[in-house]
Amino acid sequence: EIVMTQSPVTLSVSPGERATLSCRASQSVISYLAWYQQKSGQAPRLLIYGTSTRATGIPARFSGSGSGTEFTLTISSLQSEDFAVYYCQQYYNWPLTFGGGTKVEVK
Amino acid sequence: EVQLLESGGGLVQPGGSLRLSCAASGFTFSTYVMNWVRQAPGKGLEWVSSISDNGGDTFYADSVKGRFTISRDNSENTLFLQMNSLRAADTAVYYCAKPLSDYHHFDYWGQGTLVTVSS
Repeated sequence: EIVMTQSPVTLSVSPGERATLSCRASQSVISYLAWYQQKSGQAPRLLIYGTSTRATGIPARFSGSGSGTEFTLTISSLQSEDFAVYYCQQYYNWPLTFGGGTKVEVK
Repeated sequence: EVQLLESGGGLVQPGGSLRLSCAASGFTFSTYVMNWVRQAPGKGLEWVSSISDNGGDTFYADSVKGRFTISRDNSENTLFLQMNSLRAADTAVYYCAKPLSDYHHFDYWGQGTLVTVSS
């Protein structure tokens, strides 16, 4: 099983600032990496797939990068609606696995 | 518009069974792998199971293998999860999820159905 580790667990950021979230895989997932945003009481929302491709309707302030075992989600200028929990997910092989999540909170 | 509507959750005693359903609409259900993902209260996301478009191939997390069975009815555009021998650790919101494409990342999720295993 590929273990996905996200850091930090909690990220405190002021609105308008940049947020950088990390995701590490225990073995290479090539570029088969997705990012999701989840707000309290809601289902997850796909942000990024294929490491760096934004899903439909996702603002350009969200960007993804990396390859192999190290990946990053960057939110260039945090808006009020971006404070949420973010998960990475590998879909390189079975079982599909998610990271533990990073909570982005208001500083 | 794509819609996924789960049902069948509820309170069940340890060792009991439940059958979850996910009614799909707004896309060609029979051409997509379909998935169940769960989230325990206050915890992260955990993939549970997937089924191929024609139902011929199924995949399970080790934590549910041998206890849960995924199935689908393409004539009714419905996905199922039969859950047997339920444990307290199975308590979670269960989401039905549709993949974006042939790959296993999920662009549409249902609203979830809560399963509580408790005596």
